[in-house]
Amino acid sequence: DTGVSQDPRHKITKRGQNVTFRCDPISEHNRLYWYRQTLGQGPEFLTYFQNEAQLEKSRLLSDRFSAERPKGSFSTLEIQRTEQGDSAMYLCASSVAALQETQYFGPGTRLLVL
Amino acid sequence: QQQVKQSPQSLIVQKGGISIINCAYENTAFDYFPWYQQFPGKGPALLIAIRPDVSEKKEGRFTISFNKSAKQFSLHIMDSQPGDSATYFCAAHTAGTALIFGKGTTLSVSS
Repeated sequence: DTGVSQDPRHKITKRGQNVTFRCDPISEHNRLYWYRQTLGQGPEFLTYFQNEAQLEKSRLLSDRFSAERPKGSFSTLEIQRTEQGDSAMYLCASSVAALQETQYFGPGTRLLVL
Repeated sequence: QQQVKQSPQSLIVQKGGISIINCAYENTAFDYFPWYQQFPGKGPALLIAIRPDVSEKKEGRFTISFNKSAKQFSLHIMDSQPGDSATYFCAAHTAGTALIFGKGTTLSVSS
């Protein structure tokens, strides 16, 4: 399978715990995006990387959120001190920089904070 | 401030009928308009996309109609099938930004 992969697919955690999600983009895609999707809404942009550089962060990305892409390949999204409002589907997408608008999404990680 | 407005929120169509979903945008800097299809528990899948220099694009049963002056675009699904039942999202993009999505339309095709 050469598509975008995400792990885990589902995560249940208690409020206050830290969680980390992983995204593996399509091979040779140098742009990687994180989005959040809540029930009944479209995906909302969180942040994106070009290679290992984090180029933009949304105001939705509070201080409790941090994302990395250390080697320009896979990326991790960590949420510290989770809150019930963090419950959502976290989606990763990738593209090539020359066609940045053509983004391919992974299956998402569904987070439930109890 | 919602930059891409999508309607209707839900749609029921008979098998074989035409499904039409509409989107309107405000930012004239947008230069790429994709449609995504999402099944429950899955990520959005790119369906078809258009740029504002053309008024229509067709791929199989899916057609995008684009009206630049009205700042509107729509997705038409011809000969709708039960397998098309999903949530559809329109989106818009301009250079240097991420995709901005509409709120989605849940399509149900009855057999």
